[in-house]
Amino acid sequence: AQTVTQSQPEMSVQEAETVTLSCTYDTSESDYYLFWYKQPPSRQMILVIRQEAYKQQNATENRFSVNFQKAAKSFSLKISDSQLGDAAMYFCACRMDSSYKLIFGSGTRLLVRP
Amino acid sequence: DGGITQSPKYLFRKEGQNVTLSCEQNLNHDAMYWYRQDPGQGLRLIYYSQIVNDFQKGDIAEGYSVSREKKESFPLTVTSAQKNPTAFYLCATRTGGGNQPQHFGDGTRLSIL
Repeated sequence: AQTVTQSQPEMSVQEAETVTLSCTYDTSESDYYLFWYKQPPSRQMILVIRQEAYKQQNATENRFSVNFQKAAKSFSLKISDSQLGDAAMYFCACRMDSSYKLIFGSGTRLLVRP
Repeated sequence: DGGITQSPKYLFRKEGQNVTLSCEQNLNHDAMYWYRQDPGQGLRLIYYSQIVNDFQKGDIAEGYSVSREKKESFPLTVTSAQKNPTAFYLCATRTGGGNQPQHFGDGTRLSIL
């Protein structure tokens, strides 16, 4: 069975600093897609960034970037120049190419200190 | 996501009562999903539908039922068989293949009276 693991229940970062959230996954498939979603207190699920497993280049979206290590099955999220509005739950998710299902990790709560 | 409407925002259920959560989308997406989120946890898949008149059980389908009579609508019924229904319920849609993400509604909070 495919699984997604986020080992950090909570992380804290000083405003304007950089923080990295960890995510590992387990799959036997070679084609899959990885996502990071943000869930602020409003509880909306907002897509932050996505990565295709067949792409070697790490995805980047403004202050958000990933470190995708396919052999290690690791997909960490780096947030640069952290802002107060970044405070939220962050969920890592994986979808296998052969499935319509999205498997979520348990989430990491990010606190941003002013 | 403005294209996915979940209603109501808050819902209360009495013992032995079935309740239905609405999910409507105007994004013309083929696939629709229902997730359950418990406090401090990730999302767990209840049911999903790839096309009209077809749906599959997810990981925690017991005590729930769905229908997909129209492309735009995917209502979820929480039956009296679901003994612990208190949770936050999220509906999502998706189109295309490959790296297309799921888009989420704003959710419904279900509580027991």
